[in-house]
Amino acid sequence: GAVVSQHPSRVICKSGTSVKIECRSLDFQATTMFWYRQFPKQSLMLMATSNEGSKATYEQGVEKDKFLINHASLTLSTLTVTSAHPEDSSFYICSAAYRYNEQFFGPGTRLTVL
Amino acid sequence: QQQVKQSPQSLIVQKGGISIINCAYENTAFDYFPWYQQFPGKGPALLIAIRPDVSEKKEGRFTISFNKSAKQFSLHIMDSQPGDSATYFCAASIFLIQGAQKLVFGQGTRLTINP
Repeated sequence: GAVVSQHPSRVICKSGTSVKIECRSLDFQATTMFWYRQFPKQSLMLMATSNEGSKATYEQGVEKDKFLINHASLTLSTLTVTSAHPEDSSFYICSAAYRYNEQFFGPGTRLTVL
Repeated sequence: QQQVKQSPQSLIVQKGGISIINCAYENTAFDYFPWYQQFPGKGPALLIAIRPDVSEKKEGRFTISFNKSAKQFSLHIMDSQPGDSATYFCAASIFLIQGAQKLVFGQGTRLTINP
């Protein structure tokens, strides 16, 4: 299967700082990338969908000014959590897909905001 | 209508037994039903998937049964092994205008296989 990487795998930051998470499709071009958030022992909740070169589409209830998504190329999408607070601590997972094909998930990024 | 309901929340099965996880949906626009396996601290990985024109799909020890009229589908793990201990998510997808699939996940089932 296709490989999706995320960096960093873990990040700890102070409240009020911004954190950037990268998602890369390593061996295919991703026409669409997705960002999910997962709290402990809970399901994955879709935050936003992004297509290369266009603005991301955010799910209802997700603050687009807080969670900035940039899909700069067919292999890279970034999620920036701006002015992070402890309640933003979570497991962030990206996935990538080529057209109508299945989504391939990254290994996730554990964000802890102190 | 966008929800996918999954049960049970947790499941304990003896080694060699059959693990069964059930899901139900409402939206008839869903047309692709994957199951994902997730280990702690890792991203989910696709296990097996089915389209609604098929009633059953088997891959090794994993089988999906699909009942279109009841809008239900289930995952059966035969000869369950300790290495199968993980959290399993069912999902359903619809196509976005942009051409990709949007996945709606069930709540997850934490499966424990006792040796």
